[in-house]
Amino acid sequence: DTEVTQTPKHLVMGMTNKKSLKCEQHMGHRAMYWYKQKAKKPPELMFVYSYEKLSINESVPSRFSPECPNSSLLNLHLHALQPEDSALYLCASSRLSYEQYFGPGTRLTVT
Amino acid sequence: AQSVTQLDSHVSVSEGTPVLLRCNYSSSYSPSLFWYVQHPNKGLQLLLKYTSAATLVKGINGFEAEFKKSETSFHLTKPSAHMSDAAEYFCVVSDSILQGGKLIFGQGTELSVKP
Repeated sequence: DTEVTQTPKHLVMGMTNKKSLKCEQHMGHRAMYWYKQKAKKPPELMFVYSYEKLSINESVPSRFSPECPNSSLLNLHLHALQPEDSALYLCASSRLSYEQYFGPGTRLTVT
Repeated sequence: AQSVTQLDSHVSVSEGTPVLLRCNYSSSYSPSLFWYVQHPNKGLQLLLKYTSAATLVKGINGFEAEFKKSETSFHLTKPSAHMSDAAEYFCVVSDSILQGGKLIFGQGTELSVKP
């Protein structure tokens, strides 16, 4: 089973809202990732969690707040977003052999 | 520093004809290389990976890629295109041997398949 699940599939939020994205994997992977992808562009890394600890933050604005409650779950908390934050948000996970397995993404629209 | 260059931003083929998507990489040591495919409004799916075993790598859906160190290339091929192959393809290199390493993405190649 190489499945990463993400909820919700679509999210529309106003600039004053607080919302969360959820990612789950049951492959025993100990690294999990958040990416942001704009149309016609490759994914951009936001955060990496390794063994449930934040190991990489790619200078992401504080209005994005990641959380890794356990080895299977990864959340991304959103607050006071801007319209330019509208994008496809992808979660991924990996083992020691480096390849990452991606979820289907959450399409976020900020109004 | 590692980098990836996909030589074509868009490739168009007819159904049943061969597919060639070109990728060159730059790496200071033996890299791990991947091809991912992304269909519209979907996540990325791993097509195949090279991790210093056989230089000819077979992937899913009839795709394969050949690692050529002398040419620093990792081109993706398929003998016969199918309409369902129309998608965005990303060539990717991993920059770390540690778990949680970053992936370096190429800019992507959009593959169109004409009936």
